[in-house]
Amino acid sequence: AQKVTQAQTEISVVEKEDVTLDCVYETRDTTYYLFWYKQPPSGELVFLIRRNSFDEQNEISGRYSWNFQKSTSSFNFTITASQVVDSAVYFCALSEGGETSGSRLTFGEGTQLTVNP
Amino acid sequence: NAGVTQTPKFRILKIGQSMTLQCTQDMNHNYMYWYRQDPGMGLKLIYYSVGAGITDKGEVPNGYNVSRSTTEDFPLRLELAAPSQTSVYFCASSPAGGVSYEQYFGPGTRLTVT
Repeated sequence: AQKVTQAQTEISVVEKEDVTLDCVYETRDTTYYLFWYKQPPSGELVFLIRRNSFDEQNEISGRYSWNFQKSTSSFNFTITASQVVDSAVYFCALSEGGETSGSRLTFGEGTQLTVNP
Repeated sequence: NAGVTQTPKFRILKIGQSMTLQCTQDMNHNYMYWYRQDPGMGLKLIYYSVGAGITDKGEVPNGYNVSRSTTEDFPLRLELAAPSQTSVYFCASSPAGGVSYEQYFGPGTRLTVT
């Protein structure tokens, strides 16, 4: 069975600090995708990034960066120079499924990030 | 495009009552999903559908039913509401099968059963 673990339940930082959110996953699939979603206080889910199991290149998007390491089954997310607007719950998710069965996501329990001014 | 819409936004049910949570998407996506999010937890898959007329169970299907008569709509039915079904319910859709496609989420329905 697939599993996603986000060991950090809550993180609190001061604005402009860098922060890393950890994600460790388990799967028997050789082809899979990993996702990060943001859930701000308003409650909606905002897609941030998708990464496939064959692409271990790090990715940077503005203040966000992602480090995928297949050897340790980790897909960590770093926010550089955090801002108050980054305060949210962040979910890591792992997809399973085939071409005819849809993409079913297994979510971690989320990390509540609070950025204080 | 409105994307994925859900109604109602909030609802309070008494134990034993029934209700249907509505979900509609206007992106012509074949694949649709229902998740529930309990307080302080991640989302768990209830049911999913790969196309009109085809549905299948997810991780936590007990106490729920679904139908998919059109591509656009994927309603979730609670027949006998129980306090354990107090949760936020998210509907999602994706354009195709396979593991690579992101899911587009609706705004959620917050349900309280008392």
